[in-house]
Amino acid sequence: GQQVMQIPQYQHVQEGEDFTTYCNSSTTLSNIQWYKQRPGGHPVFLIQLVKSGEVKKQKRLTFQFGEAKKNSSLHITATQTTDVGTYFCAGPRRGSTLGRLYFGRGTQLTVWP
Amino acid sequence: GAVVSQHPSWVICKSGTSVKIECRSLDFQATTMFWYRQFPKQSLMLMATSNEGSKATYEQGVEKDKFLINHASLTLSTLTVTSAHPEDSSFYICSARDTFRGLAGGNEQFFGPGTRLTVL
Repeated sequence: GQQVMQIPQYQHVQEGEDFTTYCNSSTTLSNIQWYKQRPGGHPVFLIQLVKSGEVKKQKRLTFQFGEAKKNSSLHITATQTTDVGTYFCAGPRRGSTLGRLYFGRGTQLTVWP
Repeated sequence: GAVVSQHPSWVICKSGTSVKIECRSLDFQATTMFWYRQFPKQSLMLMATSNEGSKATYEQGVEKDKFLINHASLTLSTLTVTSAHPEDSSFYICSARDTFRGLAGGNEQFFGPGTRLTVL
């Protein structure tokens, strides 16, 4: 069945270091979304990528969508303590007209000051 | 904009009782809402899709009779955990799509703050 896999599960970095999380889908996706969940909080939408090979930036965050539209990555440059949280990628379920999403397992980022 | 609320934020109940969780879209209308379950340090597991005015669509393995969903209006969906047992203890989160606006053409989901359910 359709799966969205995400690695690594955990990442601990020193403040100022870079961070990357990778997302892979077993099927081609029409789009991929990224969410951030702070400790004790709820997921918050970050961005959506639609086009093959698309790259989008939000300040220190860079999002990429693979050419085959089956993988994606989120890269954070020079992490800060405010980046702490779990980052999820999510892809639409194949054939779903209701907007259902498959969420990856998430990458929990810890930033040491 | 696009704010989703949930009530209660936490609830403790005895085994065998039923618990109702409300999910409201405060500043937009949501024809579709989603109910997720999240275990500690784990991902979001979609339980069901709530459709206004029609029956909910449940994911495989989710018991319809145990997790009753009602989407009575365009701003309210409820999840009732019937005859709750300790294994139902979890973090339940709802989300909604604002199909008329949003940064991703209505595809992104706006999440409520979640409800922590503890069944004794």
